[in-house]
Amino acid sequence: KQEVTQIPAALSVPEGENLVLNCSFTDSAIYNLQWFRQDPGKGLTSLLLIQSSQREQTSGRLNASLDKSSGRSTLYIAASQPGDSATYLCAVMDGNKLVFGAGTILRVKS
Amino acid sequence: SQTIHQWPATLVQPVGSPLSLECTVEGTSNPNLYWYRQAAGRGLQLLFYSVGIGQISSEVPQNLSASRPQDRQFILSSKKLLLSDSGFYLCAWVWSPNYGYTFGSGTRLTVV
Repeated sequence: KQEVTQIPAALSVPEGENLVLNCSFTDSAIYNLQWFRQDPGKGLTSLLLIQSSQREQTSGRLNASLDKSSGRSTLYIAASQPGDSATYLCAVMDGNKLVFGAGTILRVKS
Repeated sequence: SQTIHQWPATLVQPVGSPLSLECTVEGTSNPNLYWYRQAAGRGLQLLFYSVGIGQISSEVPQNLSASRPQDRQFILSSKKLLLSDSGFYLCAWVWSPNYGYTFGSGTRLTVV
């Protein structure tokens, strides 16, 4: 059974810092990996999608990497801003299903 | 463009009452459809998914059921709600894994 773990559970940083969120999964036979953002009381917004054959994807200040063999992904946020405060969720596509980690709650202080 | 609609946005229901949450997708055909629940302080739990009309797979034994009467419509139901059914319910769709999953805005259900 696929299990996804995200570290840290919560993170508080001053504005302008670069930061890394970590995601690990137990079964490397995944189709792809997707990072989402969730604001309080809202649905999920897709940030980045990495296919299993890819190593990384970039969108603006966000960069996500994938190492299937070690079962790890990282989300790098450059020059963090208060508007980046949210919960960040990592999910792997395992067969027909998307399996989620518990998320990292990020707070960026101004 | 593809869009996903979920309603209602919030719902307060008494214990023992029925439930019907609806999700519709526009701008695509034959999507895979999903219902997830997010309980307070917990992660996202897959409840049901459907790969086609009338095809429902249940992930967790519970007080809920799902139906897919049309290609782009997915309904979550209960005959009698329990307090433990409270949570944030999210509908999602995917047409191809190459394009990732898209989630609706969610329904906040409080059972009192």
